[in-house]
Amino acid sequence: NAGVTQTPKFRILKIGQSMTLQCTQDMNHNYMYWYRQDPGMGLKLIYYSVGAGITDKGEVPNGYNVSRSTTEDFPLRLELAAPSQTSVYFCAISDYSNQPQHFGDGTRLSIL
Amino acid sequence: GESVGLHLPTLSVQEGDNSIINCAYSNSASDYFIWYKQESGKGPQFIIDIRSNMDKRQGQRVTVLLNKTVKHLSLQIAATQPGDSAVYFCAEKGTGTASKLTFGTGTRLQVTL
Repeated sequence: NAGVTQTPKFRILKIGQSMTLQCTQDMNHNYMYWYRQDPGMGLKLIYYSVGAGITDKGEVPNGYNVSRSTTEDFPLRLELAAPSQTSVYFCAISDYSNQPQHFGDGTRLSIL
Repeated sequence: GESVGLHLPTLSVQEGDNSIINCAYSNSASDYFIWYKQESGKGPQFIIDIRSNMDKRQGQRVTVLLNKTVKHLSLQIAATQPGDSAVYFCAEKGTGTASKLTFGTGTRLQVTL
């Protein structure tokens, strides 16, 4: 999906390890979001940001942290990976609050 | 747990027929609704949106209908094609300054030849 780049595409972690999922956009949109999608389910919001320096919790923030030091980047950090965090993680962006969110292609994370 | 979510409702449609995918939303204060298409291994792709001051909106081969009285949203796809096979999600946004979307669990559309 043009405009939103997520890395890595796949990752396997051991329980207790930490990692950062990267999300970068080149569309200069103010709003950025992190979602997780479990098999056969819809997306659940983890954290979001309405602009550089501003972040807020979504529906399922426990076990995650974010930062937004620039407009372009919105990394998601897992400090102590747990099996319950096995999921597909999507980053999304939007220009205004009442505009469609556009998604990256996701990071598939397995914690064993 | 939400084991029911593991079995997505599936709609099978013959190529060339029209498809109708339904969604019941939960928040009567929601003012913005979006339909997304998700193909296997990819992120959700925006299809069409509608605001609460409208009942109907048309795009290319797609129409979204909004019935606020019964909190129901539908996506109609005309002349369904094999490339339309995917999981379709509706999403709603409540009023307020932050754009927090709430997603439904999705419907799988299978197009048969």
